[in-house]
Amino acid sequence: DQQVKQNSPSLSVQEGRISILNCDYTNSMFDYFLWYKKYPAEGPTFLISISSIKDKNEDGRFTVFLNKSAKHLSLHIVPSQPGDSAVYFCAAEKGGSEKLVFGKGTKLTVNP
Amino acid sequence: SQTIHQWPATLVQPVGSPLSLECTVEGTSNPNLYWYRQAAGRGLQLLFYSVGIGQISSEVPQNLSASRPQDRQFILSSKKLLLSDSGFYLCAWSVGGAGSSEQYFGPGTRLTVT
Repeated sequence: DQQVKQNSPSLSVQEGRISILNCDYTNSMFDYFLWYKKYPAEGPTFLISISSIKDKNEDGRFTVFLNKSAKHLSLHIVPSQPGDSAVYFCAAEKGGSEKLVFGKGTKLTVNP
Repeated sequence: SQTIHQWPATLVQPVGSPLSLECTVEGTSNPNLYWYRQAAGRGLQLLFYSVGIGQISSEVPQNLSASRPQDRQFILSSKKLLLSDSGFYLCAWSVGGAGSSEQYFGPGTRLTVT
């Protein structure tokens, strides 16, 4: 049972445009959500997180939106840069369990 | 600042051979430690989780085991490797007892079982 779903395995955008990566979850007990970026043969790097008490969190070019009623979150990257090309993982945590459940990832390609 | 180390970076082992992967964290005390595996085309699967020395939780039944002999050292082992053990193994840490917090990953070990 996949509790965190990233339904788009890949996404391609032009440099300077917005990238929108989506993530859906099924467990209503999840209350903390994170996005990670991963380059090939490297460990994931933490990007941004959001608590369920918020609906938006912004850090520079990265913004995460949370829609609890729809059990959906998204990561917006504006403007997209070629260096953003990587696999992006969505992750969720349940009530201070200190354990994350990851989606399968979306491969983002930003074309110059 | 905190750093996390994993070694080796790559490993090719025959079926039936033993395995030992090591992970160490610097710059923090009493971290939570994690072992994940990323199989080809799949997400990150949590294998083991530790909140302290000698305290290991196994998340999925498998051919692997984990140990935490020191506060900042986490070891992944197997007595006899299977072909299905191939994958990219990642160690991660988070601040212990902090409730919801970010996890920080090491560089990973690419294991190929032949």
